[in-house]
Amino acid sequence: QLQLQESGPGLVKPSETLSLTCTVSGGSISNGNYYWGWIRQPPGKGLAWIASIYYSGSNSYYNPSLKSRVTISVDTSKNQFSLKLSSVTAADTAVYYCARLGYTSGAGDYWGQGILVTVSS
Amino acid sequence: DIQMTQSPSSLSASVGDRVTITCRASQTISTYLNWYQQKPGKAPKLLISAASTLQSGVPSRFSGSGSETDFTLTISSLQPEDLATYYCQHSYSPLYTFGQGTKVEIK
Repeated sequence: QLQLQESGPGLVKPSETLSLTCTVSGGSISNGNYYWGWIRQPPGKGLAWIASIYYSGSNSYYNPSLKSRVTISVDTSKNQFSLKLSSVTAADTAVYYCARLGYTSGAGDYWGQGILVTVSS
Repeated sequence: DIQMTQSPSSLSASVGDRVTITCRASQTISTYLNWYQQKPGKAPKLLISAASTLQSGVPSRFSGSGSETDFTLTISSLQPEDLATYYCQHSYSPLYTFGQGTKVEIK
């Protein structure tokens, strides 16, 4: 059974960089049938897609509203992919989810449990 | 950017009722439309992909339909465990967007 697990600090100071890692177990991140992505959800609000990446790193896509601050990367040797979000503000406080996304369908069929990241001094 | 608009934003229905949630895309997206269920405190769960393909293990009371710009998620007979927020998501382009969600409550 595929499992995804987010990890990283739960508290980040304003203007600093948020860094999260998603570890994939029970399957290979190098499966060419999928993208790997990050989605966030501010408290009490809806879902927002942040970024997606193919296992080879050859293709990555970013939410235009966040593109200038976001970097997504993949490490196939560790079966992990990561997110960096720079210059954070309180508006970046959210639960961050990692997910497996179908290459053609774009559907997120496996999700991590989510990690709450709070931006506060 | 493709915008996704769901309606209603919330609804309250009785057990056994037929419930319909709609999702409208700001441009044609063929059938690149997915539906998720999110229960309080949990990660979203994929219910339907490609507008109408029910995922394995999802009860048959859930169904999806539509194409181009207008889509529908139907729960044929609402059950207490269906208390959740439902989201649509387009995947027509790699720049995905979600609808704002529809909260389903049980009367």
